[in-house]
Amino acid sequence: DSGVTQTPKHLITATGQRVTLRCSPRSGDLSVYWYQQSLDQGLQFLIQYYNGEERAKGNILERFSAQQFPDLHSELNLSSLELGDSALYFCASSSVGGEAFFGQGTRLTVV
Amino acid sequence: KNEVEQSPQNLTAQEGEFITINCSYSVGISALHWLQQHPGGGIVSLFMLSSGKKKHGRLIATINIQEKHSSLHITASHPRDSAVYICAVRSRAIAGGTSYGKLTFGQGTILTVHP
Repeated sequence: DSGVTQTPKHLITATGQRVTLRCSPRSGDLSVYWYQQSLDQGLQFLIQYYNGEERAKGNILERFSAQQFPDLHSELNLSSLELGDSALYFCASSSVGGEAFFGQGTRLTVV
Repeated sequence: KNEVEQSPQNLTAQEGEFITINCSYSVGISALHWLQQHPGGGIVSLFMLSSGKKKHGRLIATINIQEKHSSLHITASHPRDSAVYICAVRSRAIAGGTSYGKLTFGQGTILTVHP
């Protein structure tokens, strides 16, 4: 158990819909990273938050947004979903020493 | 060209064999991570390296910063080692804070170990 909690584990939704993925980092970790893993693109960085503030953005679509709350949990919002958004979405947090801890992922299927 | 390249992409071995997976990167990094992903999807961090060599059980990871190259070795491989092994590099820390940079991933090596 990495200590990073992601919910839900699986999500099936229709095109055009909006979903929210949730992540709770390990206790004490201030950084949250969101990654997308698709069959054709592999693992790609989406966005990073540190102590409530956005720190870095990667290949995140404008239809996607995220935030980190005062209790340090984070939510990734995906809207106007398309078939190509089907992927595994991982959340990770970093320890003070820089070690990476991953959640179990949310498998999103858009039909 | 990807910033992180792994080889081989697929690797099949017999139980007991010595296995090596290679990773080359082209950017400045603060650390390199080796990750393991089993079917079902969860990702586990095996090693974090910034220099030298680390060993954990049958797993050994090395890094050569000057050559921008790392290797993951598995001694006496076992069918339970079958998984995808992913090399990831962490970019340098973002100025003005104590957070660590993002991870950039290789494409992964699919390892299958037969009994």
